[in-house]
Amino acid sequence: GESVGLHLPTLSVQEGDNSIINCAYSNSASDYFIWYKQESGKGPQFIIDIRSNMDKRQGQRVTVLLNKTVKHLSLQIAATQPGDSAVYFCAEKRSSGGSNYKLTFGKGTLLTVNP
Amino acid sequence: DAGITQSPRYKITETGRQVTLMCHQTWSHSYMFWYRQDLGHGLRLIYYSAAADITDKGEVPDGYVVSRSKTENFPLTLESATRSQTSVYFCASSGPTSGRFQETQYFGPGTRLLVL
Repeated sequence: GESVGLHLPTLSVQEGDNSIINCAYSNSASDYFIWYKQESGKGPQFIIDIRSNMDKRQGQRVTVLLNKTVKHLSLQIAATQPGDSAVYFCAEKRSSGGSNYKLTFGKGTLLTVNP
Repeated sequence: DAGITQSPRYKITETGRQVTLMCHQTWSHSYMFWYRQDLGHGLRLIYYSAAADITDKGEVPDGYVVSRSKTENFPLTLESATRSQTSVYFCASSGPTSGRFQETQYFGPGTRLLVL
């Protein structure tokens, strides 16, 4: 989910469990969505993305699900590992003419994986 | 494959000084972006560029200047630094990349700027 104030939503899981991180978006005209992972002191790292004409997309150990009816995006991480501990945030591209490569970012969810 | 690089990685400056942050990408991506990241605000777009010599304002452009004379470089200048510009600055680029959607933005490692 999205953050409120200075505190990020947090998710704590056990190593080996599956993780699900959620994101709500507001613009029904958004046509592209992306998930990033950000470790402390590093830049955002691309994980997976999806276009609005898709419901699901899979990568290596990750799956993104898009529910346009309720404007909801989720990131599933299979067999979560300690190295997956990071802040995860989603972004959307709001469909528009001209500068249509701009992304709008959520504030992120902190995932902690316990060994 | 160098990707996208930023320099300097860390910078301390004083109020009123001019500071330029550099960004360089090796993919020939047409789009480049500058963001700042602050606690409680997430990533906010400062400026972006669709191609060489084409730039436009983002969400928080005041106090910043950009230029793009070459496709691979997109410097960000703080004309007269203020304490409120203390932040982490990220550069990103997007464009046609083999096997990926062209909207995918790839980020640099960031520049941590402290304005005293």
